[in-house]
Amino acid sequence: GQQLNQSPQSMFIQEGEDVSMNCTSSSIFNTWLWYKQDPGEGPVLLIALYKAGELTSNGRLTAQFGITRKDSFLNISASIPSDVGIYFCAGPPVEYGNKLVFGAGTILRVKS
Amino acid sequence: AAGVIQSPRHLIKEKRETATLKCYPIPRHDTVYWYQQGPGQDPQFLISFYEKMQSDKGSIPDRFSAQQFSDYHSELNMSSLELGDSALYFCASSFGTWGDTQYFGPGTRLTVL
Repeated sequence: GQQLNQSPQSMFIQEGEDVSMNCTSSSIFNTWLWYKQDPGEGPVLLIALYKAGELTSNGRLTAQFGITRKDSFLNISASIPSDVGIYFCAGPPVEYGNKLVFGAGTILRVKS
Repeated sequence: AAGVIQSPRHLIKEKRETATLKCYPIPRHDTVYWYQQGPGQDPQFLISFYEKMQSDKGSIPDRFSAQQFSDYHSELNMSSLELGDSALYFCASSFGTWGDTQYFGPGTRLTVL
């Protein structure tokens, strides 16, 4: 069953707007990963977080590892049309070894 | 930088046939993972290998088997294919196992007719 609750399920925003999505879980994670997936392609790693409280940026992307180790968020600033895609949070719950569990994904659509 | 390579990219099979998917990890990565992604679904973990030994197992059907070879590439063997096996199959690789970042390949789209 789904162990990561990712929201929102989809977003339709104006180009230039900021975007925020998050994941929560009842399990504790040692690593949080954010991936972007285009249709028919493999997930591409955007940001990896390894420590509780860590805030990491990658260009217009910023992600944080929640203090409780049970949540994470991803922000995209000044969205552009190529940001369109599905964004997944993922991580290995501590009780799951190295198996990644994924959120259900956030579908991002940008109006130009 | 070199990425995970998967072959073939697309595969069409009939029911009850067999299929073999191949994965070549990023150089120096010693761990490979296999995931299955159905339409509109998130990837589901199937199985992983570290240093050629199975390290973890997820929801992999008994009809599927996998192994990792001495050069660290991995193959996923699927037998008695069913219509429900149609999906995207991803391989990911990492260096080490615990909490290490997994990098995904482009996937193999398997269609079972």
